[in-house]
Amino acid sequence: GQSLEQPSEVTAVEGAIVQINCTYQTSGFYGLSWYQQHDGGAPTFLSYNALDGLEETGRFSSFLSRSDSYGYLLLQELQMKDSASYFCAFDNQAGTALIFGKGTTLSVSS
Amino acid sequence: GAGVSQSPSNKVTEKGKDVELRCDPISGHTALYWYRQSLGQGLEFLIYFQGNSAPDKSGLPSDRFSAERTGGSVSTLTIQRTQQEDSAVYLCASNGGNKGSPLHFGNGTRLTVT
Repeated sequence: GQSLEQPSEVTAVEGAIVQINCTYQTSGFYGLSWYQQHDGGAPTFLSYNALDGLEETGRFSSFLSRSDSYGYLLLQELQMKDSASYFCAFDNQAGTALIFGKGTTLSVSS
Repeated sequence: GAGVSQSPSNKVTEKGKDVELRCDPISGHTALYWYRQSLGQGLEFLIYFQGNSAPDKSGLPSDRFSAERTGGSVSTLTIQRTQQEDSAVYLCASNGGNKGSPLHFGNGTRLTVT
C-alpha cells in the first residue's frame, strides 16, 4: 500500500531550529514535496526533492534519502509566522496525483 | 485569473441534498486535482484530471461522488445525497502536470451537511 508518516505535533521557540521527519511507503516513488498550510488557508508549496540530498531555500531546507524512504523539512531561525501545518507528499512514476501525509502542526512560541 | 478560484466558499446543505462545487484552475494548467480535508486532518485525494486522459477516480469515497472537467478548464465536483460525514473543506488545485511542479491550491469550499 501507500502511506506517509510524520509527527502530529512539534513545538519550538523563536529563533530555534526544528526538523520535521517524513517516512513513506509506496511503489514507483518519484519525489517528495513539502507544503505549508496556515489555519484557514490554502496549502502552499515549499520544496520538492527527486534526488537524494539537501535542497535549501532561504530558512527552509528539505532532505531526501531514497534508500531509506525518508525525508525531512528543516526550518531555521524560527519565527512566529512559521506556526502552521506542514505536509509531506509523494508522487509516483505512474503519474498519479500527489498523496499527502496527515500533516505536522508546528507551534512556535516566544 | 491569477490563482485557482473555488465557489462557493461556504455551503450549508441538508442531509440528502445534492451539491455542486466549482473550480476554476489557473489558465494553461493541464492538471486539476480535488482533495478533501476534514477538520484537523490531512489532505485526502479524491480525483485527478490530466489533459485529455481519463481521470484518476481512485480516491472517490463512494459512488455518490463524481466530477467532470469541461473543455479542459473548469471542473465541478458533485456530491449526491449528502451525508454528515461529507462535511469537510474541499480543495481544488492545478499545475502544469509535470512531476515536481507545485500544486496551486484554491481557498476551498467549506461544506457543512446538517
